[in-house]
Amino acid sequence: QSALTQPRSVSGSPGQSVTISCTGASSDVGGYNFVSWYQQHPGKAPKLMIYDVNKRPSGVPDRFSGSKSGNTASLTISGLQAEDEADYYCCSYAGSYSWVFGGGTKLTVL
Amino acid sequence: QVQLQESGPGLVKPSETLSLTCTVSGGSISTYYWSWIRQPPGEGLEWIGCIYYSGTTNYNPSLKGRVTMSVDTSKNQFSLKLTSVTAADTAVYFCARQQLNLVDYWGQGTLATVSS
Repeated sequence: QSALTQPRSVSGSPGQSVTISCTGASSDVGGYNFVSWYQQHPGKAPKLMIYDVNKRPSGVPDRFSGSKSGNTASLTISGLQAEDEADYYCCSYAGSYSWVFGGGTKLTVL
Repeated sequence: QVQLQESGPGLVKPSETLSLTCTVSGGSISTYYWSWIRQPPGEGLEWIGCIYYSGTTNYNPSLKGRVTMSVDTSKNQFSLKLTSVTAADTAVYFCARQQLNLVDYWGQGTLATVSS
């Protein structure tokens, strides 16, 4: 069960869009539509931003969207705002009631 | 509103056992899976394992053999035991409500430091 692969960091200016990738395998990301994304600010618990690849919980702005192609899932944040600066983690169901997280991506809003 | 709260010693000696408990309030522990997830300082999240309210468990293979989880439905609590700890087990430990497709409720996290 290897961690999903995410870029260590991404950055963008306010108003721009950024995309964070999350690459796994056919046994996790590619095999199930149970990919979720979490936002974590320093010293805080993660917060659910996207689930089922592309669904947003109530209260999450529609600037956040998700997609998947093959073994790679992606989180896109459009109209970047200062408060979006945080760490982002993907997570995928990996079968047999096990889950795997990505290594995390630090988003910097320039 | 479901709330989770971790509790347990913040300092554990090397080779000893780390024991944490998660108390669930605002909802029943029954029906759902419950996970432990940890985060070493400055690093990413790692899923440790989960337990169903019936007691069925599943653990991350990387930690198998050292992890035991249990549940006490009468107290609405579930627990984690990690044996033979080393400095590499120093982390913030989160308890969380696990669904197949998401984690919807998290505890605030508790820092467990392994040091003599």
